Amino acid sequence: GQQVMQIPQYQHVQEGEDFTTYCNSSTTLSNIQWYKQRPGGHPVFLIQLVKSGEVKKQKRLTFQFGEAKKNSSLHITATQTTDVGTYFCAGTSNYQLIWGAGTKLIIKP
Amino acid sequence: DTEVTQTPKHLVMGMTNKKSLKCEQHMGHRAMYWYKQKAKKPPELMFVYSYEKLSINESVPSRFSPECPNSSLLNLHLHALQPEDSALYLCASSQPRVRSTIYFGEGSWLTVV
Repeated sequence: GQQVMQIPQYQHVQEGEDFTTYCNSSTTLSNIQWYKQRPGGHPVFLIQLVKSGEVKKQKRLTFQFGEAKKNSSLHITATQTTDVGTYFCAGTSNYQLIWGAGTKLIIKP
Repeated sequence: DTEVTQTPKHLVMGMTNKKSLKCEQHMGHRAMYWYKQKAKKPPELMFVYSYEKLSINESVPSRFSPECPNSSLLNLHLHALQPEDSALYLCASSQPRVRSTIYFGEGSWLTVV
């Protein structure tokens, strides 16, 4: 079946270090959406990428969509404690939204 | 803050109880969804309503019964649930188009005892 693989499952960083999560799809995606879920919270929409090779920035967050529209990444520069949570990608293929397993960002004390 | 409102936020029910989860949105969206989320997992689609008609049922057991009374409201009726049904139940809405953003409510935390 159609899958979106997301890695890593967890990433521990010191505050101020960078963080990256990657998603790879087995099929070409119409678009990809990114969500953030804080501990105990609900998924909150961050951004949608539609075009091949698209790059979008939101302050310290940079989102990329691959040229083949099969992969995407989210990069956070200089993490802060407010960035803690699980980041999910979700891609649309054949009218279905397929979720990655999520990457949990943990800030080391 | 979300424009999709869910009640109750927390629910504890016995396996013989009947309860309902409620969801309301005022964004003019014509697609509404129920998702189930277990700990450390992504949301799992249960049902989709498009223009108030059930369009997708992801092989959900009949102890979960959705209802869409109008374009703003979505209910999930619960009956004879099992402890393994304990989870976060998320309502969401969007425009009924392929690339539409899905907006989630804050969820209802359900515990079945």
